[in-house]
Amino acid sequence: AQSVTQLGSHVSVSEGALVLLRCNYSSSVPPYLFWYVQYPNQGLQLLLKYTSAATLVKGINGFEAEFKKSETSFHLTKPSAHMSDAAEYFCAVSDHQGGSEKLVFGKGMKLTVNP
Amino acid sequence: KAGVTQTPRYLIKTRGQQVTLSCSPISGHRSVSWYQQTPGQGLQFLFEYFSETQRNKGNFPGRFSGRQFSNSRSEMNVSTLELGDSALYLCASCRYPGTGETQYFGPGTRLLVL
Repeated sequence: AQSVTQLGSHVSVSEGALVLLRCNYSSSVPPYLFWYVQYPNQGLQLLLKYTSAATLVKGINGFEAEFKKSETSFHLTKPSAHMSDAAEYFCAVSDHQGGSEKLVFGKGMKLTVNP
Repeated sequence: KAGVTQTPRYLIKTRGQQVTLSCSPISGHRSVSWYQQTPGQGLQFLFEYFSETQRNKGNFPGRFSGRQFSNSRSEMNVSTLELGDSALYLCASCRYPGTGETQYFGPGTRLLVL
């Protein structure tokens, strides 16, 4: 079965600092991995995804993530945080066996950006 | 192109009542999935439908049910509501499941059970 671990629930960075959100996964099949962002009172918006192409994936708003099979990781980074990045971030793995697109989410990480 | 729409956006119900939530996917998307989001349990998968057939079901009691219509619109129903059913219910759509396609989420329906 697929699972995702996001250690911790909150991270705080200064504006302009590096953002690093960690995600480790477990999957019995080659994984499809996703990062979603959720702003208050809104749904989820896809930041980026990995579906077995390039291991370094670039997404929207300057975010990128690197798939590392040996470490079963898919950490999200952004070189310079902006105030507008304050939101909750979810890592997810797709249970795509049998033609399903069920997403298994991590617990989420709330990002605070300090001026 | 219009995004995923969910109605209603907010609902207040009392214990024991039932509720029906609606989701209209993006035009051309034939797969709809539902998720429950709570502070304690996070995001949990409820169901997945494709071409009016339930493809997958999460670990929820039988009080939770769903269906998909021929126009791909989907509804989910919760009967005999409990306080713990208070949550944000999110719907997502994509064209074809199982291929790593991006799932697009709606804004959610926030259900409060009193």
